[in-house]
Amino acid sequence: EIVLTQSPATLSLSPGERATLSCRASQSVSSYLAWYQQKPGQPPRLLIYDASNRATGIPARFSGGGSGTDFTLTISSLQTEDFAVYYCQQRSKWPLTFGGGTKVEIK
Amino acid sequence: EAQLVESGGDLVQPGGSLRLSCVASGFTFNTFWMSWVRQAPGKGLEWVANIKRDGSEKYYVDSVKGRFTVSRDNAKNSLYLQMNSLRAEDTAVYFCARGFLESAPNCFDSWGQGTLVTVSS
Repeated sequence: EIVLTQSPATLSLSPGERATLSCRASQSVSSYLAWYQQKPGQPPRLLIYDASNRATGIPARFSGGGSGTDFTLTISSLQTEDFAVYYCQQRSKWPLTFGGGTKVEIK
Repeated sequence: EAQLVESGGDLVQPGGSLRLSCVASGFTFNTFWMSWVRQAPGKGLEWVANIKRDGSEKYYVDSVKGRFTVSRDNAKNSLYLQMNSLRAEDTAVYFCARGFLESAPNCFDSWGQGTLVTVSS
């Protein structure tokens, strides 16, 4: 199975700062990578699909990049509502797999 | 707007069985792949199973193969997960999720609130 490794595990930043999250795949997933945001007690929310495409209703401050094995999710200017856990997920091969998550917390 | 509502979660003993249900509304259910994804308490997300629009293809994570069965009833806009031979490590919130893209494997653009399954004696 394809293992996704997210880093850092925790990112401590202040509102207005730029956040850069990383997701590395154990083998190429082409561009078949998605990003989700999850807040406590809520289901995940799709942010980005196929590496760089924003899902419907997602603000432009969220952007995704990368291909092959290395991907990034960037939040250009953190808003208070952005502090949450973020997961990447590959859809290149079965089984579908998720990364372990990056928690973005308020510094 | 798509809505997914899970039910059926409960406390069950190791070795027991449980059937989860998910009722969909707000979209044409029979045109989407559907999935189950779980999250153990305080842990990350784990994909469990996928089923094609017409139920003709099913995929599972290795850890549940032979124990869990995904099915759907398009006439009832419903998705199911039959879970047998449950283990402590199956304890999790189980989410029903809609496949975002027409092809599979896929990602998920709509999720239910989840139903909690606890496996303990």
